[in-house]
Amino acid sequence: GIQVEQSPPDLILQEGANSTLRCNFSDSVNNLQWFHQNPWGQLINLFYIPSGTKQNGRLSATTVATERYSLLYISSSQTTDSGVYFCAAYTGANSKLTFGKGITLSVRP
Amino acid sequence: KAGVTQTPRYLIKTRGQQVTLSCSPISGHRSVSWYQQTPGQGLQFLFEYFSETQRNKGNFPGRFSGRQFSNSRSEMNVSTLELGDSALYLCASSPPAGAYGYTFGSGTRLTVV
Repeated sequence: GIQVEQSPPDLILQEGANSTLRCNFSDSVNNLQWFHQNPWGQLINLFYIPSGTKQNGRLSATTVATERYSLLYISSSQTTDSGVYFCAAYTGANSKLTFGKGITLSVRP
Repeated sequence: KAGVTQTPRYLIKTRGQQVTLSCSPISGHRSVSWYQQTPGQGLQFLFEYFSETQRNKGNFPGRFSGRQFSNSRSEMNVSTLELGDSALYLCASSPPAGAYGYTFGSGTRLTVV
């Protein structure tokens, strides 16, 4: 099945800094999503982005499907951005999301 | 509109017991999927239901089962609980499966003692 790898595994930032989180996937995908897991465990959908670029406030994401990677950009980071970020790939053949191991982001005040 | 609702939020069970978790999808969504999250294994797919039919199943023992009702609500059941079943169980819904992205519920945190 498809493999999803995220890097770096851990990221520590000072408040106000920018960051780039990377997601590589091993096969063609029908859908690519980025999630932020809040302290209570809920996966909050950030972007549904099978290809192209999207922006939502300080967050933006780009997926280059032909090169099998996606990037999540966080600008002017805030302490509330802390948590675990997951990317997940969907291939219609398996009808499921395959998750990466996540990136733990810590934003220091 | 209301999101994905999972009940209960927390559960403590004893080894050998069984447990049933519930998930109500977003209105109009017909696909419901279940995932297990543990520190060691990460997020793993359990099964997916669409229009009351299980379309896909992950690599879990037969103690894990599920079903979907005609109103798209889904339940998952774990029988003969083991300590290793302690996990966060997440439910997700989507219109046709995966077509427009998945929305997750808040999860049920199960502790087996």
